[in-house]
Amino acid sequence: KNQVEQSPQSLIILEGKNCTLQCNYTVSPFSNLRWYKQDTGRGPVSLTIMTFSENTKSNGRYTATLDADTKQSSLHITASQLSDSASYICVVSANGNKLVFGAGTILRVKS
Amino acid sequence: GAGVSQTPSNKVTEKGKYVELRCDPISGHTALYWYRQSLGQGPEFLIYFQGTGAADDSGLPNDRFFAVRPEGSVSTLKIQRTERGDSAVYLCASSPGPRTDTQYFGPGTRLTVL
Repeated sequence: KNQVEQSPQSLIILEGKNCTLQCNYTVSPFSNLRWYKQDTGRGPVSLTIMTFSENTKSNGRYTATLDADTKQSSLHITASQLSDSASYICVVSANGNKLVFGAGTILRVKS
Repeated sequence: GAGVSQTPSNKVTEKGKYVELRCDPISGHTALYWYRQSLGQGPEFLIYFQGTGAADDSGLPNDRFFAVRPEGSVSTLKIQRTERGDSAVYLCASSPGPRTDTQYFGPGTRLTVL
C-alpha cells in the first residue's frame, strides 16, 4: 500500500534555531517527492520538488534531501523565523499517478 | 496573476442537504484537482480533471459526491444528502499541464455539516 509517514507529528522550536522534519514513504514506482508548506487556513504551497536522481534541493532557508534507496526524505529549516510556523506536508508521486500525501508535521516557532 | 480561488470560504449546512463548492483555477491551467482535508491530516485526493473530463475520480468516497468542469475552467464539487462525516476542508488545486506538474492550491472551503 502506498503510504507516506512523517515525523515528528508536531514540533516547537525557538526563533533562530534549526530543525529537521522527516518523511518515510513506501510509494512505488517512485516519480518525485515534494514538500509543501501549509499555513493555518490556507492551501498548501510548494517548497521543493525532487526526482529520483536528485539528492538535495534548496529553497532559501529550506533544504530538502532525498535518499531513494532507503525511501527517506528530510526538510531542514535553517535560522527559523516566526513565519515558518505552519504544517509541512511531504507528498510522493507514483509515476504519473495521483499524489500520496503525508499527514504533515506541525511546526511552531516561538520568540 | 490571480491564484486559485474557492467559494464559499465557509459553508454550514444541515445533514441531508445538498451543497455545491466552487473552484476557479489559475487561468490557462488545464489540470484541476479536488482534495478533502480533515483536521490534523494531509489532503486526501478526490478527483482530477484534465480539461473538461474527469481523468481520475477514484478518490470520490461514494456516489453522493460528484464534480463537473463543463468548460475546462471553473469546477464545481457537488455533495448530495450531506452527512456529518463530510465535514472537512475541501481544497482545489490546479496545474499547468500533466499531473506531474506542481499543483497550486486554493485556500479551501470549510464545510460543516450539523
